[in-house]
Amino acid sequence: QSALTQPASVSGSPGQSITISCTGTSSDVGSYNLVSWYQQLPGKAPKLIIFEVSKRPSGVSNRFSGSKSGNTASLTISGLQPEDEADYICCSYARSMTPNWVFGGGTKVTVL
Amino acid sequence: QLQLQESGPGLVKPSETLSLTCTVSRGSINSPLYYWGWIRQPPGKGLEWIGTVYYKGSTYYSSSFKSRVTVSVDTSKNQFSLKVNSVTAADTAVYYCARHGIQSNNWFDPWGQGTLVTVSS
Repeated sequence: QSALTQPASVSGSPGQSITISCTGTSSDVGSYNLVSWYQQLPGKAPKLIIFEVSKRPSGVSNRFSGSKSGNTASLTISGLQPEDEADYICCSYARSMTPNWVFGGGTKVTVL
Repeated sequence: QLQLQESGPGLVKPSETLSLTCTVSRGSINSPLYYWGWIRQPPGKGLEWIGTVYYKGSTYYSSSFKSRVTVSVDTSKNQFSLKVNSVTAADTAVYYCARHGIQSNNWFDPWGQGTLVTVSS
């Protein structure tokens, strides 16, 4: 299973909105509403911020939102803040013969 | 809050076996709703799912690792483990354990803090 495709980097000024894309195939993103997004601060473990395409876990800021269209999922960060500077990684369930999960390569978000 | 903690050697020689254990605390590994997975992240690269075990012992593996990897569970110790055979420098990575679901709760949360394993002679 190939990795999901994300842009290597995205940047924005404080207060702006940015969107990170995550492109898969009809075997993963396109087939299941089981896309999740993770925030990874330097040297730390990933933290779940979006599950099932657009749902937020308790305690995650509503500035984070997710969506999906066809084989591409997206994460939008609204009202960008300095503490949002991190890597963001998407993941999709992808069943072939057996359950399988594929991750994106990650997108570095820089707050200018 | 459920917590996961990886443990094991930080240095493994090429061609040998990498062995890691994930200890689950503040919760039980015997949950019918969840599976227990291993994910790795080579330096400067993205995440890669390796394999998953259910508390009853059933397993799923990434086709990228299937022939070299074994994931097992020890419910008496509330732990699950990873073994990777015949390692090379390409297996150098931070290894994470995480809880996830399949039929429901199909996301990875929480994660352990990760442990760096370096393959070098």
